Amino acid sequence: DGGITQSPKYLFRKEGQNVTLSCEQNLNHDAMYWYRQDPGQGLRLIYYSQIVNDFQKGDIAEGYSVSREKKESFPLTVTSAQKNPTAFYLCASRGEINEQFFGPGTRLTVL
Amino acid sequence: RKEVEQDPGPFNVPEGATVAFNCTYSNSASQSFFWYRQDCRKEPKLLMSVYSSGNEDGRFTAQLNRASQYISLLIRDSKLSDSATYLCVVRILTGGGNKLTFGTGTQLKVEL
Repeated sequence: DGGITQSPKYLFRKEGQNVTLSCEQNLNHDAMYWYRQDPGQGLRLIYYSQIVNDFQKGDIAEGYSVSREKKESFPLTVTSAQKNPTAFYLCASRGEINEQFFGPGTRLTVL
Repeated sequence: RKEVEQDPGPFNVPEGATVAFNCTYSNSASQSFFWYRQDCRKEPKLLMSVYSSGNEDGRFTAQLNRASQYISLLIRDSKLSDSATYLCVVRILTGGGNKLTFGTGTQLKVEL
């Protein structure tokens, strides 16, 4: 089955730690995206990548980093510099009519 | 002004009712439009694209009014399973590529 997977589903982090969220897709899509969602707010774009070895900052990139070494993979690192990291993180890839398909998400909680 | 605005609801409707959601967008250069559905604590899923001519998918009808910069979603004969948050999404072509902007969503609760 084609799709997007994210892991872990739930992640707990102590303050001051960096954590990496995994995102993998087997849809053969070039473009991939990371969003965060907070209660009562729309999805906000963190980073996106149009093609392998290239990525761009989104609207709220501070405190995050990404890499895109393989077409299938677009991991997101939440660094200790991110002041309010507790959120629901969603990874997506872009389809043929510019729609986006989402993974199941990772809920990050900072203890 | 938000780029994409929706009435947050909730819309509480009885099963079988017809319900309509509207969404306005501020950027006249917006190129593509979508409705997504998001269940509680789940990822958004594409419900349908929205075309200028209007389009229908079963009980769901979407329409776009470019002149007034709004899109709408009509759900007929609503089911309990339609209870979810409906996200209005707009695509803008920027210098860095395609960007989707999401509304905060309209919550629908269908009741017996």
